Amino acid sequence: DAKTTQPTSMDCAEGRAANLPCNHSTISGNEYVYWYRQIHSQGPQYIIHGLKNNETNEMASLIITEDRKSSTLILPHATLRDTAVYYCIVRVGHGGSQGNLIFGKGTKLSVKP
Amino acid sequence: EPEVTQTPSHQVTQMGQEVILRCVPISNHLYFYWYRQILGQKVEFLVSFYNNEISEKSEIFDDQFSVERPDGSNFTLKIRSTKLEDSAMYFCASSVSSGRRETQYFGPGTRLLVL
Repeated sequence: DAKTTQPTSMDCAEGRAANLPCNHSTISGNEYVYWYRQIHSQGPQYIIHGLKNNETNEMASLIITEDRKSSTLILPHATLRDTAVYYCIVRVGHGGSQGNLIFGKGTKLSVKP
Repeated sequence: EPEVTQTPSHQVTQMGQEVILRCVPISNHLYFYWYRQILGQKVEFLVSFYNNEISEKSEIFDDQFSVERPDGSNFTLKIRSTKLEDSAMYFCASSVSSGRRETQYFGPGTRLLVL
């Protein structure tokens, strides 16, 4: 399984872009990068995922480096409600697996007024 | 927007008692999951379920745990004889399909406290 490395915590000013990095240097060619977040012990919330191309949706953008060894989640205009733990997850994709998610400790993002 | 729902939101039980946690997955989803999160720790995978069978389970999911889809809408997690260390948030999730391309959507969780 590809493991991920994320900073323990980050701060961001309200209204500014939040850029959350993730290293996944052992990712294999057919594994996707997923981002979830968890707001104060609520259920994890899906944000975005990608394989090798950059992705954007209404919540965020995902930038994946060309070598796929790292990625950055971008929240373009962070609000106080974006304060949460953000998880970068590489999906388990070996034979027969249903693709259970393996969560790390994530990055605690604090958005400050 | 369809959501995964879970009941109850909180459950307090005595050690040794049986508990059943309930989940209603998103209606067109075929794959179902249980995860748990002990306070202050990581979210951990317990079990996945498809076509009325367990697809995969973790080491945590021992003989005290069981899952069932008793009807067309509910998905349950039973803990036969609860222990203090079972105190945790339990999250249900569902996905349309399986594997690395399908997104799992999580419910709000049930907070279980074993006394």
